[in-house]
Order: sequence, then C-alpha cells, then structure tokens
Amino acid sequence: AAGVIQSPRHLIKEKRETATLKCYPIPRHDTVYWYQQGPGQDPQFLISFYEKMQSDKGSIPDRFSAQQFSDYHSELNMSSLELGDSALYFCASSLFGQGYEQYFGPGTRLTVT
Amino acid sequence: DAKTTQPTSMDCAEGRAANLPCNHSTISGNEYVYWYRQIHSQGPQYIIHGLKNNETNEMASLIITEDRKSSTLILPHATLRDTAVYYCIVRARPDNTDKLIFGTGTRLQVFP
Repeated sequence: AAGVIQSPRHLIKEKRETATLKCYPIPRHDTVYWYQQGPGQDPQFLISFYEKMQSDKGSIPDRFSAQQFSDYHSELNMSSLELGDSALYFCASSLFGQGYEQYFGPGTRLTVT
Repeated sequence: DAKTTQPTSMDCAEGRAANLPCNHSTISGNEYVYWYRQIHSQGPQYIIHGLKNNETNEMASLIITEDRKSSTLILPHATLRDTAVYYCIVRARPDNTDKLIFGTGTRLQVFP
C-alpha cells in the first residue's frame, strides 16, 4: 500500500539558510500534519491543513511557513535556520472521517550546522 | 485535551504479554483514548483507539476502566520488533482532523 512520502530524507544546512521539506500524502487523504521531533524529545505538532486550508497551528516559529497545494502535497518552508531547528520533521496524513489514524512518513532529518 | 501519565519504561520477555498502563483521570466524556508507538526514529504508528468499551485489533487490545480514568494497552505476544516508545493520547472525536499531542510515553524493551 502507498505510504506518506517525504523528501528529502536528510538535509544539511548552515545557520541562516533556508530549507524546504516536502510531503506527499497517501492518495485520497485530504489532511496533512507536520510534527517536529528534537533529539531525545517527543514529537511536537507544528501545523496542519485540511483541503488546502490551514486547520490548526501549534508552536511553529514565525520563520516557518507551510502550505498544502491543489494536489494535496504540502511543503514546510524554514528560513533563517538556527542550530535548534535540527530535528526530525514528520509529515502525517489522514482522511477526514478517519482522523483517528494518522499515517506518518519516514521523516526528514534536518541538521543545521 | 486531558493529560496522560505513563510509566517511563517497561521490560517484557519475548512471547509474553506486554501490559502498558495509562492514567487519564481528567478525561472528559467526549474524549477517546488513542495509542501510537514509535520504533526508533521512525514515524509514529497508530495502534488502536477506544471510548469506553474494550477494543481489539490485529495489533493489540485496549482495556478501559469503567470510570474511564485509566486504560491498559495489551500486546498479547510481544516480539523484539515491538520494542518502541508507546504513547497514550487522549483526544476528542476520532473522525475529525485534530492534532496528536504526544506526552512522554513508555519505552518498552522486549528482551529475548
């Protein structure tokens, strides 16, 4: 079965640079979520989209922005990167009406040097 | 969302049942109990959810106390592949698009 696809899987950036993470949800899924997991920490919710509209927002820095496109894929844009942004970034998708089961992608490991 | 409390870590012998407890004493009437797990650095994986009745699927069983203040996730025959961090999450209606709020979770180590 198709899973959530995230790209790139690994990304190394320097401080103050910009990064773009991409997420391709499971076909037919209309909701996308982004989570951040710092080293030794639990996943923290950043932002979500339902039918291409932002549906919820967590503790996402103002330096980050995200959107969901017409084909339902989503991109997380991160600017002015800081060392503390180094983390695993997970994207998850679900189908409205079955929101109990969020399907997570393999994650993008971002390292800021 | 109600707060959950789980033991930090547990051990289980391979082939035995793993019983993972969760306290959610402030759960409200419309909140469900969900369990997810995260195998090292992989994306979290949904296991099961329930409101007040016991639930079972191919992965696990969920036992919720009558007062709904606590629950237990049961992995009937733990394998080494079940070694993971298990998260108990309380959240409203399962048909919406609410975020997941991960607490500390229980680190389950299954040993041979």
